[in-house]
Amino acid sequence: EIVLTQSPATLSLSPGERATLSCRASQSVSSSLVWYQQKPGQAPRLLIYDASNRAAGIPDRFSGSGSGTDFTLTISSLEPEDFAVYYCQQRNNWYTFGQGTKLEIK
Amino acid sequence: EVQLVESGGGLVQPGGSLRLSCAASKFTFSNYWMGWVRQAPGKGLEWVANIKHDGSEKYYVDSVKGRFTISRDNPKSSVYLQMNSLRDGDTAVYYCARWIVAHGGFDYWGQGTLVTVSS
Repeated sequence: EIVLTQSPATLSLSPGERATLSCRASQSVSSSLVWYQQKPGQAPRLLIYDASNRAAGIPDRFSGSGSGTDFTLTISSLEPEDFAVYYCQQRNNWYTFGQGTKLEIK
Repeated sequence: EVQLVESGGGLVQPGGSLRLSCAASKFTFSNYWMGWVRQAPGKGLEWVANIKHDGSEKYYVDSVKGRFTISRDNPKSSVYLQMNSLRDGDTAVYYCARWIVAHGGFDYWGQGTLVTVSS
C-alpha cells in the first residue's frame, strides 16, 4: 500500500498570504496525484489532478507541482473561503488518501 | 450540474447489514465509473470501492472485501453499496462519487450518508 504523508498537519495563515502544503508518497506515484478541498459539513471538492492540472472552475490561485514522491499544493494569495482541510490522493497503486492538512485562519 | 444523492444510511448493530443507494442525474451515467469513499467521524477519507461503467469490473479496499458489494443499475442511473457483517470500524459518512479513469480522481461527490454501527 502506498502511504501518503501530508505536512504540516495544521497551517495557520492570514488572508492574502501564500500557502504551501506538502504531500509525500512512500513510493513513486509518478504524476498520479490529486488534491481535494473539504470544508466542514461538506463533501470534498476536486482541485488538482495529475499533480498539476486544475479541475474545471478552480481559481488560478491554486496550483500543484511535483512528481515521483514529493508534491506541493500552493495557494498564491489566500481568500477567506480557502480555509479548509486539504487532502491528497494517489491512484498509482489502488487509491489512498493522505491524512489531510487543516488550513486555519491565523 | 451533476447531482449525486445518497440514501440508506442509519444505525445498525454490529454484524448487521445495510444497503446504500446513490441516485445520479444531469450526466450520462452509463459512461462513467462510480465509487464509494467513506470518512469516519473526525477522520480522513478512505476509498471503499469502484465499479466500471458497465459493471464488469469491481474493486474494493482490503478491509471490506467479502463483506461489501458494489453494484449499479444504469437504466436507473443508480449505484449501490451492500454492506454485510458490519463492524464498529465501518462507522462513517459514505460518499458516492464519480470516478474519472483518465486521472484517477473523483470529480463529483454526493452529500454523504451516515452509517453508524453500534449496539
